[in-house]
This record gives sequence, structure tokens and C-alpha cells, in this order.
Amino acid sequence: KAGVTQTPRYLIKTRGQQVTLSCSPISGHRSVSWYQQTPGQGLQFLFEYFSETQRNKGNFPGRFSGRQFSNSRSEMNVSTLELGDSALYLCASSLDAPDGYTFGSGTRLTVV
Amino acid sequence: QQQVKQSPQSLIVQKGGISIINCAYENTAFDYFPWYQQFPGKGPALLIAIRPDVSEKKEGRFTISFNKSAKQFSLHIMDSQPGDSATYFCAASEGYSTLTFGKGTMLLVSP
Repeated sequence: KAGVTQTPRYLIKTRGQQVTLSCSPISGHRSVSWYQQTPGQGLQFLFEYFSETQRNKGNFPGRFSGRQFSNSRSEMNVSTLELGDSALYLCASSLDAPDGYTFGSGTRLTVV
Repeated sequence: QQQVKQSPQSLIVQKGGISIINCAYENTAFDYFPWYQQFPGKGPALLIAIRPDVSEKKEGRFTISFNKSAKQFSLHIMDSQPGDSATYFCAASEGYSTLTFGKGTMLLVSP
């Protein structure tokens, strides 16, 4: 079966711009979570959506937001980009968090 | 803040040897402890997971040992192979909350 698909794979943006990342979960999975991965901080939780509702939220500023659609696809948005937002953004899906999280390959965001 | 502390940061093991990675946690309400393996350019992949009602779980060459009283759990990779060279993350969660990850261990298995 198809895995978790994240688009785009790579992205270069300028400080102050905004960006939208997309995640298509495994068919039938209703939970989608987003993580930020950096060499210094490791994997940090951003937010989790279950059946279109945000169920959990990490400790990130309001510039980071997300949503989930009725088909379970999810998007995350980062506004007013800062250099420190450069990271690998990972999406994971499961039937219900946290059991059996399957991660996508991520979107590598570089802010210049 | 809930934390999961992972050690060592990096590890070099000879082919055929045993790789051991340790994690310690603080929140006694954690009830799910998975290990993930990540190769460069890929997302983490679930390797093996355990719940606190058992002290050990084995899947092939991979074993999780769990010590509830010490609030520690570890991953053992038996007969380590060069193909096992990757970054390993432990994690923990409580109920349906999200996963809290350790900082990761870079494992290199030398031929």
C-alpha cells in the first residue's frame, strides 16, 4: 500500500515569506502528526490532527499552524519565516496516535 | 517538560557485535515505548515497540528491555550488520498523546 506522501521534498524560501507543506496519509489513517527535525533539537512535536480536529499541540509559536481535510490529508503553514525555521518537517499518520506511526520522508525547508 | 533522555549520542560497533542504546524517562504515566530507525534522507521507521506490562520484547535481531521501576528501556541489536548503520530514536507517549522522542543515537557498524 502507498506510504505517507509529503510534498514538496525540498523548498527554499526567503525570510519573511510564508510556506505551506502538504501531507497525504496512508489510506484509512485518521491521525496525522507533524514534527520538526533539526540537528540540535531532534524531533519536536508540532501538532496532531484527528478527524479534522486538532487534538494535541506542541510548544511552537502561532506562526506555525495546520489543518486536516475530510479526506485526512493535512497541511501545515508557517508564516513570517525565520532562519531558525530551516529544518526537516516530518508528517506521520496512524489509525490513532501514537501506535504504529508511519512517517513520510519529509520536506526539507531552507530559509535564506 | 516531559523528557526522554537517550544515550549514547553515537556508537561504533564491529560487525557481529551487540549494539546497546539506552533511554530513561521521567513521566510514570508513559505507557507506550517505541524505537525508530532513520536512514539519511528518509523519515523515521518504526522498528519495535513495547508496553509496560512486559519486561522484554524480541523481534528478530532487535530486543527491547524495559525496567519500569528504574524508568529505563533499552534497544539491543544482536549480530549487528553494516546495514544497521543509521540513527535510532527512542520515544514514549501517554495514552493517545503524541510521542516524545529522545535526541537520537548515530550507530555505525564497521565491516
